[in-house]
Amino acid sequence: TQLLEQSPQFLSIQEGENLTVYCNSSSVFSSLQWYRQEPGEGPVLLVTVVTGGEVKKLKRLTFQFGDARKDSSLHITAAQPGDTGLYLCAGDGNAGNMLTFGGGTRLMVKP
Amino acid sequence: ETGVTQTPRHLVMGMTNKKSLKCEQHLGHNAMYWYKQSAKKPLELMFVYNFKEQTENNSVPSRFSPECPNSSHLFLHLHTLQPEDSALYLCASSPPGRDYEKLFFGSGTQLSVL
Repeated sequence: TQLLEQSPQFLSIQEGENLTVYCNSSSVFSSLQWYRQEPGEGPVLLVTVVTGGEVKKLKRLTFQFGDARKDSSLHITAAQPGDTGLYLCAGDGNAGNMLTFGGGTRLMVKP
Repeated sequence: ETGVTQTPRHLVMGMTNKKSLKCEQHLGHNAMYWYKQSAKKPLELMFVYNFKEQTENNSVPSRFSPECPNSSHLFLHLHTLQPEDSALYLCASSPPGRDYEKLFFGSGTQLSVL
């Protein structure tokens, strides 16, 4: 069974601070995705990383896929209250339509 | 708005009730999913349908019964549920081809079993 562990589970910061959340596994994934889920809504896909060592940027969000394709990180620069939400990573282990989801990092950015 | 619509948004039911959750998408996706999201667990995949055919049943109890009449609609029929089944039930769809792993989620049905 493939597992993805996310850390930290909870993070509360002030507006303007930087933060990094992590998604780790002992398994190799062919791709890894990050989703953000706001209260009362479903997760929304932010990015997919495919190549080991790949870095993708989405405005103030920087996503990195580990060289060995076992881990990933999400770095947010100058966090804003609109970044508040549950961040989920999900790995594709090439088992058909079956993604493995991490437990999530719940982020709160206070004004 | 992801293009995946779930109804109802909220549902309260007793353990002896029978209810159904509905999901529809008109994105042209061929795969549809049911996920369960509980407070202290990662998202759990329940069922997967590809072109109306069930391809995955992730050891889900028989009190949950999925139905996929066509590629745009997915139902989850519920009967004799337990209080521990209270959770957010999320429907998702994904496109064919190389983007099959990109999930589009609905807003979910928040289910409370009394």
